[in-house]
Amino acid sequence: SQKIEQNSEALNIQEGKTATLTCNYTNYSPAYLQWYRQDPGRGPVFLLLIRENEKEKRKERLKVTFDTTLKQSLFHITASQPADSATYLCAPTRDDKIIFGKGTRLHILP
Amino acid sequence: DAGVIQSPRHEVTEMGQEVTLRCKPISGHNSLFWYRQTMMRGLELLIYFNNNVPIDDSGMPEDRFSAKMPNASFSTLKIQPSEPRDSAVYFCASSLTGSWRGYTFGSGTRLTVV
Repeated sequence: SQKIEQNSEALNIQEGKTATLTCNYTNYSPAYLQWYRQDPGRGPVFLLLIRENEKEKRKERLKVTFDTTLKQSLFHITASQPADSATYLCAPTRDDKIIFGKGTRLHILP
Repeated sequence: DAGVIQSPRHEVTEMGQEVTLRCKPISGHNSLFWYRQTMMRGLELLIYFNNNVPIDDSGMPEDRFSAKMPNASFSTLKIQPSEPRDSAVYFCASSLTGSWRGYTFGSGTRLTVV
């Protein structure tokens, strides 16, 4: 069955440093991969989408890579800020149906 | 646009009662999704509709769960009878097929079955 793995433990990063989150998937061939941010008590918010024929995508301080051979996506936040603290969800997608990972909790320490 | 609107925000009900969750998607979006989130299982897709037609309901846990989308601006998820293990946060999301802009989620309904 399809399986998505994200860092199960919370990630603590010092403010100003780069945070890197990992998403691995198995038994799945997504056409594209999405990343979402979720704050406590709120619904997920769409951040970025990268297609299978793209290696890298950037948006402001965010960068996403997508390696279909390794079946892995990396999500980077540069110059991290305490306001970036949240849970980040990876979502490989095919046929308009998203399957979400359980997410990684990120804490940016001031 | 006000975004995806879900009601109620919180629902506490007794085991065996019927529960109805409601969702109003973003105007113009043609796909609607119902998800359930728990600490143990994360976000699980229950069912999704495209142009008001149910496309995939393989995630619906059992016959106690049913969902309808009578028109493009309204959907319901019903649980009858409810059980304590149904306690979770239920999210509705909508999207425009092929827009590459991701899904827009509502704020969720926190359901507690006692």
